[in-house]
Amino acid sequence: EDKVVQSPLSLVVHEGDTVTLNCSYEVTNFRSLLWYKQEKKAPTFLFMLTSSGIEKKSGRLSSILDKKELSSILNITATQTGDSAIYLCAVEAKGSKLTFGKGITLSVRP
Amino acid sequence: ETGVTQSPTHLIKTRGQQVTLRCSSQSGHNTVSWYQQALGQGPQFIFQYYREEENGRGNFPPRFSGLQFPNYSSELNVNALELDDSALYLCASSSTTLAGLREQYFGPGTRLTVT
Repeated sequence: EDKVVQSPLSLVVHEGDTVTLNCSYEVTNFRSLLWYKQEKKAPTFLFMLTSSGIEKKSGRLSSILDKKELSSILNITATQTGDSAIYLCAVEAKGSKLTFGKGITLSVRP
Repeated sequence: ETGVTQSPTHLIKTRGQQVTLRCSSQSGHNTVSWYQQALGQGPQFIFQYYREEENGRGNFPPRFSGLQFPNYSSELNVNALELDDSALYLCASSSTTLAGLREQYFGPGTRLTVT
């Protein structure tokens, strides 16, 4: 059975700190890994990482896929209170099904 | 905003009843996936529809069923509701091409409460 594990489960930091969120996976027929940010309801798409694109960056957010270690990290630099959210990692396997981790709750204090 | 819409926003039902949730996919997207997200958990895959055909199913009983229409909108039906069905139901639309599935964009969800 496909599995995605995220750590830590929750994190509290102060504005300006840098955070690293972890995701590891065991998936048959891996196709891609995705990061989402969930604030109230709908998860919003952040990054998709594949064998042909193992590093992505957008502003203060960046993500790396390590296919050898079957893991990914999401880095957020110079955190702001607006970064407070649940960060979900999901892995797409053959058959297009997404398997999600439980999510990491990030709280950024002023 | 992703362009994916869901209705209703909230719903309260009684055990044993049936419910239908609706999703309109983003323009140009031919694939719709449904997920159940219980409190404190990540979304769990229910099933996916591609061009009106079921294209994969998660570990959910047959009382969870779906449809996709020619305009690619979709419905999720749940029969014989149980208390554990209380959750946020998310719909995600995406475009499936020969190169494979592109990123999935989520709607705002329907919060279902079963009493």
